[in-house]
Amino acid sequence: QSALTQPASVSGSPGQSITISCTGTNSDVGDYNFVSWYQHHPGKVPKLMIYEVSNRPSGVSNRFSGSKSGDTASLTISGLQAEDEADYYCSSYTSANTHLFGTGTKVTVL
Amino acid sequence: QLQLQESGPGLVKPSETLSLTCTVFGGSISNSNYYWGWIRQPPGEGLEWIGSFYYTGNTYYNPSLKTRVTISVDTSKGQFSLKLNSVTAADTAVYYCARQGFSSRYYAFDIWGQGTMITVSS
Repeated sequence: QSALTQPASVSGSPGQSITISCTGTNSDVGDYNFVSWYQHHPGKVPKLMIYEVSNRPSGVSNRFSGSKSGDTASLTISGLQAEDEADYYCSSYTSANTHLFGTGTKVTVL
Repeated sequence: QLQLQESGPGLVKPSETLSLTCTVFGGSISNSNYYWGWIRQPPGEGLEWIGSFYYTGNTYYNPSLKTRVTISVDTSKGQFSLKLNSVTAADTAVYYCARQGFSSRYYAFDIWGQGTMITVSS
């Protein structure tokens, strides 16, 4: 099984919006609404930002939103802030009863 | 507040077996609302799911690691363990244990341990 495909890097200026894509197949992202997103500051613990495609855990800023279309899920960060600079990973449940993570996207705030 | 804490040897020799333990504080592994899992991150690389289990004993693994991995649980101690045999340098990584939603937050890893660095080297 191959990792879900994410862009290696995305950048934006403070206040702007950016979107990170996560492309899978009809056996994972396209087949289930069990897509989650994680923020990972290097050296820290990954943090759940979005679950079940578009749901935010309590305490996560509403600047973070998720969506899905076909085999591609997306994470949008609006009103970009310096603290949003981190690595972001998507994850999906698969028809093989496994979990795949994405390749990871480094978000840079210019 | 539920917390997870990994413990392990830090350094493992090639061809030997890596053994890690995750201790759950402030909650029960037998909670029917959750699975529990292991994830790793090699240096400079992305996250990789290793395997997950449910308290009833249902366990499932990453196919690429399945022949070398065993996850077990000791509910009386509030711990679950990972064994990875025949390790090579490619198994060098930070290893995380995590709680995984089942009745809600389906399959999302919502609480993570701090992670433990494991280096495979002679």
